Amino acid sequence: ETGVTQSPTHLIKTRGQQVTLRCSSQSGHNTVSWYQQALGQGPQFIFQYYREEENGRGNFPPRFSGLQFPNYSSELNVNALELDDSALYLCASSHPTGPHPYEQYFGPGTRLTVT
Amino acid sequence: AQTVTQSQPEMSVQEAETVTLSCTYDTSESNYYLFWYKQPPSRQMILVIRQEAYKQQNATENRFSVNFQKAAKSFSLKISDSQLGDTAMYFCAFMEIQGAQKLVFGQGTRLTINP
Repeated sequence: ETGVTQSPTHLIKTRGQQVTLRCSSQSGHNTVSWYQQALGQGPQFIFQYYREEENGRGNFPPRFSGLQFPNYSSELNVNALELDDSALYLCASSHPTGPHPYEQYFGPGTRLTVT
Repeated sequence: AQTVTQSQPEMSVQEAETVTLSCTYDTSESNYYLFWYKQPPSRQMILVIRQEAYKQQNATENRFSVNFQKAAKSFSLKISDSQLGDTAMYFCAFMEIQGAQKLVFGQGTRLTINP
């Protein structure tokens, strides 16, 4: 069984640029959630995708957007990068049915630095 | 909105000792899930243990157990016979069952196991 993978591992961008982060969900999982983890903080929920539709959104501005593809992989796009966007971005996958439907399995994260 | 509070920013114990990490949460929901996640320096968020709010019995997973006090909205994690590999950040997380399955995390407790 393949776990959750994310790419790239690290990324450095300049303020004002745009970035795309990628996530492949665990085999069989059709729900993907994205979280932002600032240094020394707990992760904050950005949004969730279920069967290619946004299924909930946290308190993040519209310049944070996402996509989910038919194979359930997902992208997180951030436009007009700000210095405060520097963080670890975590992707988690889950499946709403099965023995543990509410468990989310996390990828290793993408460390984004905005200069 | 749900909130999760971890009042111990850092803890340190000797190998083989028992340690308890505290967590309180605030919600008006009656049915929800609670989780403890571990995040070692490798950054990967690893699920340690989960508790369904409708179950009165405390969850256990090998050396890890919880003390779930629903009325007090308390959810502590006990690690028995602590090992060097338990050194990590530990996050308490809440998930409501209705709506998007988003995790609400606490600020984390940095646990160090000393040899």
